[in-house]
Amino acid sequence: AQSVTQLGSHVSVSEGALVLLRCNYSSSVPPYLFWYVQYPNQGLQLLLKYTSAATLVKGINGFEAEFKKSETSFHLTKPSAHMSDAAEYFCAVSGNSGYSTLTFGKGTMLLVSP
Amino acid sequence: DAGVTQSPTHLIKTRGQHVTLRCSPISGHKSVSWYQQVLGQGPQFIFQYYEKEERGRGNFPDRFSARQFPNYSSELNVNALLLGDSALYLCASNPMGQPYEQYFGPGTRLTVT
Repeated sequence: AQSVTQLGSHVSVSEGALVLLRCNYSSSVPPYLFWYVQYPNQGLQLLLKYTSAATLVKGINGFEAEFKKSETSFHLTKPSAHMSDAAEYFCAVSGNSGYSTLTFGKGTMLLVSP
Repeated sequence: DAGVTQSPTHLIKTRGQHVTLRCSPISGHKSVSWYQQVLGQGPQFIFQYYEKEERGRGNFPDRFSARQFPNYSSELNVNALLLGDSALYLCASNPMGQPYEQYFGPGTRLTVT
């Protein structure tokens, strides 16, 4: 069984500040981990993914995440927030078989103020 | 190349009615998955189809069913609609059932009144 916990349903930052969105996972098999972003009234866009290669993963729009097995964490960071980063962010986990499906967290809404 | 497309974009139905949602995967993708996203929650897995066969089913009642066609497009059917079925229904496709290449469509917003 797999599960994802995202700490904080809302995170507020000022433009230019560090963004840190937290994700902890539980998995009985070596996991694949993902961060998706969802803008209002849109589908999900993949930001980055961890698939058992490098533990520090770089994604689109300046985001990156680090896989820490000992902490079962996969936190998302961005050094400097931009107004356009305001959206909802979802962490997801899947198994590593061909038919594994995604288990999502409840999401974190990122609010960016000028 | 076109991404995953879904139709309709929005839909309003009455309790007890039936609804069919449609999804066309990215060209060349043979696997389609369906997710339900209730307002304020993360998406929940409903079905996965690969090469026209059901490969996975989430914890949803039998009122939910799906199928995949020879051209790999898919339909999600929901019978006897309940107010709680109001949600954004997302379709995702991937090439060979690999877990790390899911591409999502824009979703169908279903409102049940």
